[in-house]
Amino acid sequence: QKEVEQDPGPLSVPEGAIVSLNCTYSNSAFQYFMWYRQYSRKGPELLMYTYSSGNKEDGRFTAQVDKSSKYISLFIRDSQPSDSATYLCAMSRNTGFQKLVFGTGTRLLVSP
Amino acid sequence: DTEVTQTPKHLVMGMTNKKSLKCEQHMGHRAMYWYKQKAKKPPELMFVYSYEKLSINESVPSRFSPECPNSSLLNLHLHALQPEDSALYLCASSQGSGGLNNEQFFGPGTRLTVL
Repeated sequence: QKEVEQDPGPLSVPEGAIVSLNCTYSNSAFQYFMWYRQYSRKGPELLMYTYSSGNKEDGRFTAQVDKSSKYISLFIRDSQPSDSATYLCAMSRNTGFQKLVFGTGTRLLVSP
Repeated sequence: DTEVTQTPKHLVMGMTNKKSLKCEQHMGHRAMYWYKQKAKKPPELMFVYSYEKLSINESVPSRFSPECPNSSLLNLHLHALQPEDSALYLCASSQGSGGLNNEQFFGPGTRLTVL
């Protein structure tokens, strides 16, 4: 079993839809949770960085962490064609340096 | 400025060539990373430098040799690579290591093709 599971998609939605992207994980030691957006042939761009359980909002993006269920989500409101990309979740443990453990990424396609 | 720059953008090399990838950040970050990313896969960590010292080597073959000349620069020296080493090589940096300091910012990558 992988430490982090993420549906690879593709997830296809019409412009303006609310998008929900999710990851599950197995290691309860993860404390820090990230979402990256990666356009084709480009480097990942950090969208959200959260600690422990709860919600964090930034513009059209909301990140949710439910540590009891080992489940994290990224919601995108009013999705745009420019949001079409691969979304990677990543997480790390708390003590000292810990490398990021990535999900496989979900490809999102937003059609005009 | 949350920018990490990488040069070159593209690199084609033969298996006997020696080349270097370069990465630079001016955010005052003290941890820098090299990742390798194959198509449709997540990034895989290769090396971590913390305060200009190599702190993690993820069992990377010796044909990849990292170097951190100063806190802003990170190089990856390549020699005798194999075609299966063709990938997108990503550099990242973070303020430090551990906890909230581990917020990593990635560069655009160098697309490497080994013939």
